[in-house]
Amino acid sequence: QKEVEQNSGPLSVPEGAIASLNCTYSDRGSQSFFWYRQYSGKSPELIMFIYSNGDKEDGRFTAQLNKASQYVSLLIRDSQPSDSATYLCAVTRGGGSEKLVFGKGTKLTVNP
Amino acid sequence: DGGITQSPKYLFRKEGQNVTLSCEQNLNHDAMYWYRQDPGQGLRLIYYSQIVNDFQKGDIAEGYSVSREKKESFPLTVTSAQKNPTAFYLCASSINRGRELFFGEGSRLTVL
Repeated sequence: QKEVEQNSGPLSVPEGAIASLNCTYSDRGSQSFFWYRQYSGKSPELIMFIYSNGDKEDGRFTAQLNKASQYVSLLIRDSQPSDSATYLCAVTRGGGSEKLVFGKGTKLTVNP
Repeated sequence: DGGITQSPKYLFRKEGQNVTLSCEQNLNHDAMYWYRQDPGQGLRLIYYSQIVNDFQKGDIAEGYSVSREKKESFPLTVTSAQKNPTAFYLCASSINRGRELFFGEGSRLTVL
């Protein structure tokens, strides 16, 4: 089982719709969870982080964490063409190392 | 303006040559990291450092070396022992371990 798994996509949504991105992880000791956005040929940029179970909202973005089910998701409301990118889920390893492990990313396309 | 500076952005190397990638940060972060990204893949951790004069191997350290003589600087050397060095290399820093990473713009290495 991979440490962090994401559906590679591509995920295609129309402009104005809600995009839902999902991520599962295998290490029950993981404590911190991050979503990064990466445009083609660029470096990742942090969108959100979440540490506790539940929802965390920031503008059009909502991160959801369920530690019991070992999944974290990112919702993008009112999707815009500028949201078209690859979204990387990252999770800290447990056991004290707290190193970040990344999924392979989900490619999102928002169609005008 | 605080940030992480990587250089060079593009680098070509002949087989058998060592190359050094520079990474400098002025965010006053304690922890620094090197990741490698291959097409369609997630980020894989090469080396990380939590404090000056100390660093740890990541998941794919073979064929790479680093140093951390100053808090601001964490250079990566790609040695001739690295079998498949062509990749996008990303340097990152965080205020301390387990916290969100901030990335430089990346260095794209091509072996001819």
